[in-house]
Amino acid sequence: GQQLNQSPQSMFIQEGEDVSMNCTSSSIFNTWLWYKQDPGEGPVLLIALYKAGELTSNGRLTAQFGITRKDSFLNISASIPSDVGIYFCAGQYTDKLIFGTGTRLQVFP
Amino acid sequence: GAGVSQSPRYKVAKRGQDVALRCDPISGHVSLFWYQQALGQGPEFLTYFQNEAQLDKSGLPSDRFFAERPEGSVSTLKIQRTQQEDSAVYLCASSLVGGVNQETQYFGPGTRLLVL
Repeated sequence: GQQLNQSPQSMFIQEGEDVSMNCTSSSIFNTWLWYKQDPGEGPVLLIALYKAGELTSNGRLTAQFGITRKDSFLNISASIPSDVGIYFCAGQYTDKLIFGTGTRLQVFP
Repeated sequence: GAGVSQSPRYKVAKRGQDVALRCDPISGHVSLFWYQQALGQGPEFLTYFQNEAQLDKSGLPSDRFFAERPEGSVSTLKIQRTQQEDSAVYLCASSLVGGVNQETQYFGPGTRLLVL
């Protein structure tokens, strides 16, 4: 099935560092979403983006909807241990979500 | 409950067995989605219901996969004659309305299926 290209695949950072990850697609989406998934749980929505060029923040998280509508990035500032997990981008096509391949984030104290 | 619930949380099946996975959406949510998540991958869309109507089943990988939502609430995903490649986490999500791009999908914890 179709999956979006997400990079990096994994990141190992020190507590307090900033993190950046991005997602690209060959298709245009009208909505970009960023989810976090903890082990044994389903994805939880972090940020939703609805307009090309839109920059949205949610606490230490900032995400942007690319102007071409084919990409998005997520930044996490001043990382903390509870940021550990897998982050997925998703483009919304009609009702279905098309997910990225995921970025696994490890934060060391 | 407040969120989407799924049962069982874990299922081990022998190759060739049939399995049934249950999803209880958030009360009042019209739309219900099933996704399959293979190990180390992102979730992939399987099928979508609006009330009891199955509007999209384009993601079902074979005719061994069947989903239903007869009363527009609880849904069951059935896999017949399971194969090892069916081993994955099966996620259910629901949204309040559906048919609208800006409607948030809320995910359940998933059912982890292992086919031996």
